[in-house]
Amino acid sequence: EIVLAQSPGTLSLSPGERATLSCRASQSVNSNYLAWYQQKPGQAPRLLIYGASSRATGIPDRFSGSGSGTDFSLTISRLEPEDFAVYYCQQYGSSLTFGGGTKVEIK
Amino acid sequence: EAQLLESGGGLVQPGGSLRLSCAASGFTFSSYAMSWVRQAPGKGLQWVSLITGSGDTTYYADSVKGRFTISRDNSKNTLYLQMNSLRAEDTAVYYCAKHACSAYSCEYVTSWGQGTLVTVSS
Repeated sequence: EIVLAQSPGTLSLSPGERATLSCRASQSVNSNYLAWYQQKPGQAPRLLIYGASSRATGIPDRFSGSGSGTDFSLTISRLEPEDFAVYYCQQYGSSLTFGGGTKVEIK
Repeated sequence: EAQLLESGGGLVQPGGSLRLSCAASGFTFSSYAMSWVRQAPGKGLQWVSLITGSGDTTYYADSVKGRFTISRDNSKNTLYLQMNSLRAEDTAVYYCAKHACSAYSCEYVTSWGQGTLVTVSS
């Protein structure tokens, strides 16, 4: 099973700042089959990125994904108030696994 | 727009059984693989099980293999999860999840239901 380690656990930033979230896999992710989701309290997750770098429909271009092999990242170029949430990565190259999440909180 | 509505959650004793349902609408149900993903209170997401669009292939997380059974009725646009031999650690919100295509290499989730809470406790 591929284990995904997300860091940091919590990121404290102010609106307008840049956020960089990391997702490291225990082994290489086939074909960069990695997705990112956003989850707000009491809500279901929402797809942001798939295929490591493709934005899902309707996702603002301040969200971008990058990486390959075992190291991936999600960048939010300028944090908006609605971006404070928990973010999860998920690999689908070998079965399906999720990372433990990164909480982006207001500083 | 895809809509997914789960039902069937509730309180069950350890060792008991429960059947979850997910009614789908707004898309051609049989054309998409579906999964169940759960989230224990205050914890992260955990994939539970996947079924291909045709229903001929299923996959399970090791933690539920042999206890849970995923199935679908494409004539009724409904996904199911039969949960047997339930344990306290199965307590979670269970989400119905639609993938991007019918089978492989696209198992990211494009639509989620709102979830149904399963509590396993005596």
